[in-house]
Amino acid sequence: AQKITQTQPGMFVQEKEAVTLDCTYDTSDQSYGLFWYKQPSSGEMIFLIYQGSYDEQNATEGRYSLNFQKARKSANLVISASQLGDSAMYFCAMRGRRGNEKLTFGTGTRLTIIP
Amino acid sequence: DSGVTQTPKHLITATGQRVTLRCSPRSGDLSVYWYQQSLDQGLQFLIQYYNGEERAKGNILERFSAQQFPDLHSELNLSSLELGDSALYFCASSAPLRDEWTDTQYFGPGTRLTVL
Repeated sequence: AQKITQTQPGMFVQEKEAVTLDCTYDTSDQSYGLFWYKQPSSGEMIFLIYQGSYDEQNATEGRYSLNFQKARKSANLVISASQLGDSAMYFCAMRGRRGNEKLTFGTGTRLTIIP
Repeated sequence: DSGVTQTPKHLITATGQRVTLRCSPRSGDLSVYWYQQSLDQGLQFLIQYYNGEERAKGNILERFSAQQFPDLHSELNLSSLELGDSALYFCASSAPLRDEWTDTQYFGPGTRLTVL
């Protein structure tokens, strides 16, 4: 079984500062994918970034980067130069090997950016 | 805009009723997934279809059923509705399965179901 743990229910960060959202995972699959999604107050789920278990380099997408530490089973999201529009719920998710493509989500972190 | 469409956006109904939620995947995507987001259960996987066939089942109640049609759109049917079924229901789609299994799931805007 797969499990995602997000230990920060809420975070407050000053605008323009960098923020790290924590995510640890557990799986018995050798091949898996790790994802981060953003859910603004409007409710939609927006894909941010993906990291494959065999990727040697950390994924980056604009201001988002994923700090992947396979031995520690962590996949933290780093947002650089935070903006007011970054205020939202952030979910870490995992997808397993072929035949187990469903996403398993963590409980999320509510990020609030303070002007 | 993810390219995944869901209708209706909001649905208000009474206990015991039956509703149908509809999802159109992104162009070219063959997999459709249904997820339920509720305050007490969080985001839970319900069911997956791939090119018209059921591929995986999660914590989907027997009162719920789904199907994927030849044009690849999918419907989630919820019957004998209870208060606890009130939730945000998401549909997601991903590209055809490949060896790397890295395909991202893109989510629709969701259908917010309220059971009174």
